[in-house]
Amino acid sequence: AQSVTQLDSHVSVSEGTPVLLRCNYSSSYSPSLFWYVQHPNKGLQLLLKYTSAATLVKGINGFEAEFKKSETSFHLTKPSAHMSDAAEYFCVVSKPGGSYIPTFGRGTSLIVHP
Amino acid sequence: EAQVTQNPRYLITVTGKKLTVTCSQNMNHEYMSWYRQDPGLGLRQIYYSMNVEVTDKGDVPEGYKVSRKEKRNFPLILESPSPNQTSLYFCASSSGQQISGNTIYFGEGSWLTVV
Repeated sequence: AQSVTQLDSHVSVSEGTPVLLRCNYSSSYSPSLFWYVQHPNKGLQLLLKYTSAATLVKGINGFEAEFKKSETSFHLTKPSAHMSDAAEYFCVVSKPGGSYIPTFGRGTSLIVHP
Repeated sequence: EAQVTQNPRYLITVTGKKLTVTCSQNMNHEYMSWYRQDPGLGLRQIYYSMNVEVTDKGDVPEGYKVSRKEKRNFPLILESPSPNQTSLYFCASSSGQQISGNTIYFGEGSWLTVV
């Protein structure tokens, strides 16, 4: 079984300050982990993914995430928020190999203030 | 260009009037899926398909049907829509090969309102 918990439903930051979106997962195997972003009235787009290679993963638009097995976490960070980062972010866990059934977190809404 | 295309993008319909939301992908993906997105509930999976003629229920299948007669198409059917099916729907696809880290590709969403 697998599950994913996004610890904050909303995160509010000022432009130019760091972003931290938290994600904890639970799985009985070594998972694949993803972050997706959804801008208003758009579909979801892949930001980055972890697939058992380097634990620090770099994605698009300056985002990165670190896989920490001991903490079962995959938090998303960005050093400096931009207004265009305002969106909904989803953490996703899946079982690598075989049947591919991903589990989505409930999403975190990132609000960026000028 | 790799894409998942779903239609219609916006639809208002009446209770009980059957409707179909089409989904097509051009990436030869084995895995396709339908999700609905509701405020505070994130994305919930309705049905998924691992290949042609293979479909299975997700977390919220009640009131929906799907079919997978061709690899590229995965329509979502609401036989008798009800107001609680008012939602934003996403179709998605992914390579179903036995490799880890398969990216999911999403359509742009279909806003459905049932009155």
